[in-house]
Amino acid sequence: QVQLVESGGGVVQPGGSLRLACAASGFNFIDFGMHWVRQAPGQGLEWVALIRTVETRKYFYADSVKGRFTVSRDNSKNMLYLDMKSLRLEDTAVYYCAKPLSASGPGIDYWGQGTLVTVSS
Amino acid sequence: QSVLTQPPSVSAAPGQKVTISCSGSSSNIGSNYVSWYQQLPGTAPKLLIYDNNKRPSGIPDRFSDSKSGTSATLGITGLQTGDEADYYCGTWDTSLSAVVFGGGTKLTVL
Repeated sequence: QVQLVESGGGVVQPGGSLRLACAASGFNFIDFGMHWVRQAPGQGLEWVALIRTVETRKYFYADSVKGRFTVSRDNSKNMLYLDMKSLRLEDTAVYYCAKPLSASGPGIDYWGQGTLVTVSS
Repeated sequence: QSVLTQPPSVSAAPGQKVTISCSGSSSNIGSNYVSWYQQLPGTAPKLLIYDNNKRPSGIPDRFSDSKSGTSATLGITGLQTGDEADYYCGTWDTSLSAVVFGGGTKLTVL
């Protein structure tokens, strides 16, 4: 069955950096784009980024993270990453790795359990 | 401020029906499929409905959706206490080149 396991969350100071990872299994990873979605404490879902499988226009980011976050993947290891820099207090959230229903579509059929990032001084 | 607009809360009695609206624009709901998610407290979201009223395996037909123009509606019939959760709509926004979600609706089964 599909499994998505995030890691790398923790406490970081404002302006700091952090790398999240997501280990994927149970599906053909190379055939699917992958999303990062976050949820601030007590708040709703906020989409963060999408990395597609095709080379043209491969990366998509929410305006709130553009220029600060970088999504990448290692298809040989079935791993998804989110490199976050210049972190702000408002980046505090649970970050979910998520698999789309089809190729790189917006609908998401599997979510990880999430990893908590806390930006605090 | 979310791109898609949902009511903050809805409520109904067990066994009754409830609807949750999701309002957008021509660049999102008006031109793309909508998905609906259920999030129980302390858990990750779960897909309920996708691509014009399709349900993943295991989702009962008590859950359905409809779309008209730039709005979508999730319907839940035969409400159960276990349906108490937050519900989110989501879709692609062609103008933003981004996935957009509604702000979420908290369902209370009285």
